Amino acid sequence: KNQVEQSPQSLIILEGKNCTLQCNYTVSPFSNLRWYKQDTGRGPVSLTIMTFSENTKSNGRYTATLDADTKQSSLHITASQLSDSASYICVVTTSGTYKYIFGTGTRLKVLA
Amino acid sequence: DAGVIQSPRHEVTEMGQEVTLRCKPISGHDYLFWYRQTMMRGLELLIYFNNNVPIDDSGMPEDRFSAKMPNASFSTLKIQPSEPRDSAVYFCASSLGTQYFGPGTRLLVL
Repeated sequence: KNQVEQSPQSLIILEGKNCTLQCNYTVSPFSNLRWYKQDTGRGPVSLTIMTFSENTKSNGRYTATLDADTKQSSLHITASQLSDSASYICVVTTSGTYKYIFGTGTRLKVLA
Repeated sequence: DAGVIQSPRHEVTEMGQEVTLRCKPISGHDYLFWYRQTMMRGLELLIYFNNNVPIDDSGMPEDRFSAKMPNASFSTLKIQPSEPRDSAVYFCASSLGTQYFGPGTRLLVL
C-alpha cells in the first residue's frame, strides 16, 4: 500500500535553532518527492522537489535530502525564524499514473 | 501574474444545496488540481486536469462531486447536494512543474 509517514507530528523549537523533519514512504513506482510549507490559513507553498537521482536540494535555509534506497527524506531547517512556524507536508508522486500520496504533515512552532 | 485565483473565499450553505467553487489558474500552466483539506484527513487530491482534460478523478469522494475545465483559464468544482461532511477547505493549484496553490475556499455546510 502506498503510504507516506511524517515525523514528528509536531515540534517546538527556539528561534535560531536547527531542526530536521522526517518523511518515510512506501510508494512505488517512485517519480518524485516534494516538500511543501503551509502557513495557517493559506495554501501550501512548494519548497523543494526531488527526483530519484537527486539526493539533496536546497532552498535558502531549507535543505531536503532523499535516500531512494531506504525510501526516506528529511527537511532540515537552519537557523530557524519565527516565520518558519507552519505545517510541512511531504508528498510522493508515483510514475506512470501520477498518483499523489500525501503525508499528514509536521506542525512546527518556533518560539522567540 | 496574480497567482491562482479562487472564489468564493468563504461559503456557508445548508445541507442539500448546490455549491460551486471556482478557480482561475496561472496563465500558461497546463495542469490544474483540486484538493480538499480537513483536520482529520489532511490534504487530499480530488482530481487533476492536463490541458483541460481530466486525467485522474479517483480522489473524488462520490457522485455528488463533479469538476469541469471548459477552457485553460477556468475550472469549477461542484457539490450537489452538499452535506455537512463536505465542510473543508478546498484548494485549487496549477502547475507547469511546480504547483502553485490558490488561497482556498472555506466551505461550511450546515
